[in-house]
Amino acid sequence: NFMLTQPHSVSESPGKTVTISCTRSSGSIASNDVHWCQQRPGSSPTTVIYEHYQRPSGVPDRFSGSIDSSSNSASLTISGLKTEDEADYYCQSYDSTNHWVFGGGTKLTVL
Amino acid sequence: QITLKESGPPLVKPTQTLTLTCSFSGFSLTTAGVGVGWIRQPPGKALEWLAHIYWDDDKRYSPSLKSRLTISKDTSGNQVVLTMINMDPVDTATYYCAHLLCYDSSASYHEYFQHWGQGTLVTVSS
Repeated sequence: NFMLTQPHSVSESPGKTVTISCTRSSGSIASNDVHWCQQRPGSSPTTVIYEHYQRPSGVPDRFSGSIDSSSNSASLTISGLKTEDEADYYCQSYDSTNHWVFGGGTKLTVL
Repeated sequence: QITLKESGPPLVKPTQTLTLTCSFSGFSLTTAGVGVGWIRQPPGKALEWLAHIYWDDDKRYSPSLKSRLTISKDTSGNQVVLTMINMDPVDTATYYCAHLLCYDSSASYHEYFQHWGQGTLVTVSS
């Protein structure tokens, strides 16, 4: 099976833009959906991006997703950073047999 | 409104079997296009997918844990049960269940964990 690799941590100032990457180890990043969830401290995860770039209702348009076949990676971009965005973010995907894989998670610090 | 809640013992001994129940409302596992999955998270570590079950009783298991897991559904009671045998201290984690939405769009199949439960912490210790 494949792995999804994320940076361990990123940090940025309020109001700025940050991008979190998620690199697939084998197979094309475009072959299966990539989703992103947010996990605030002490809380359960919530989906912020599904199907590469779709936003669930209630998720602000400051959150956007994309994929880049040249680097075989997906990205979550958060613009206009707020302190409430400080959380762990996980990318997820699944293979052709519907076995799921989670990335190692990225801790976003808004300082 | 979809809600899910996990229940199970907070403490199990090594080698024992863990049984977790996910009780949900706002959807039915008799409806096509839905499933329920289990994901765990050891303290301070990443999420790990364990298993999920679809409305048609099709099941998927993590290859690394398949020999230890069994997932089943009780459609009449709106519950999904996960059992894990031969528990070890490394299995100490918060266990989440999640609603899986399955659909076709742009001539392709898609699925994602749309709603998550609050999680239940299971500690494995003698």
